[in-house]
Amino acid sequence: GAGVSQSPSNKVTEKGKDVELRCDPISGHTALYWYRQRLGQGLEFLIYFQGNSAPDKSGLPSDRFSAERTGESVSTLTIQRTQQEDSAVYLCASSSRTSGRATDTQYFGPGTRLTVL
Amino acid sequence: GDSVTQMEGPVTLSEEAFLTINCTYTATGYPSLFWYVQYPGEGLQLLLKATKADDKGSNKGFEATYRKETTSFHLEKGSVQVSDSAVYFCALNTGFQKLVFGTGTRLLVSP
Repeated sequence: GAGVSQSPSNKVTEKGKDVELRCDPISGHTALYWYRQRLGQGLEFLIYFQGNSAPDKSGLPSDRFSAERTGESVSTLTIQRTQQEDSAVYLCASSSRTSGRATDTQYFGPGTRLTVL
Repeated sequence: GDSVTQMEGPVTLSEEAFLTINCTYTATGYPSLFWYVQYPGEGLQLLLKATKADDKGSNKGFEATYRKETTSFHLEKGSVQVSDSAVYFCALNTGFQKLVFGTGTRLLVSP
């Protein structure tokens, strides 16, 4: 079956512009996550959606970052007034959340490489 | 807070050499532990996982044992191949849904 897909694969933007990144999770997966991977660093958690519950936004680095998800489908991560330090690969993951515990496997998309000039 | 520490790379080996990539963690509660791999030009893939103490995860010849007493989850493979060249990430999940990752270890295997 299809895996997690993300678009665009690459995005180059100018400082101060807004960008939208899209994630299509695996069909049937109720949980969706966004992470950021800066060059040479590990992945940083940004935000987590589970069904219709309120999202966990604890990892968002500033109020310029926001994300939406409609039901259990597509999610959009929006970065307003982009800064050069926002340059990174943004990864989306989904999981089935069947066990409700820490054992769930998260399946990652290929990422969107964002470059802010 | 929760954290994962991995050995810095790159790790450079010849084909058929033995591989160890060290991973230690700090966590509240009882985390699940994961190794993810990122091959060149590809997305992050789960390599193996262990969900409780003394569990051994294994896949594609790689193994890692969940050691609660030493808070470690070292990745091993008896004989590496050129195709194993990738970046390996150790991660944990304590049940608060987010994965906490180490910084990654690049493995380079030469023929």
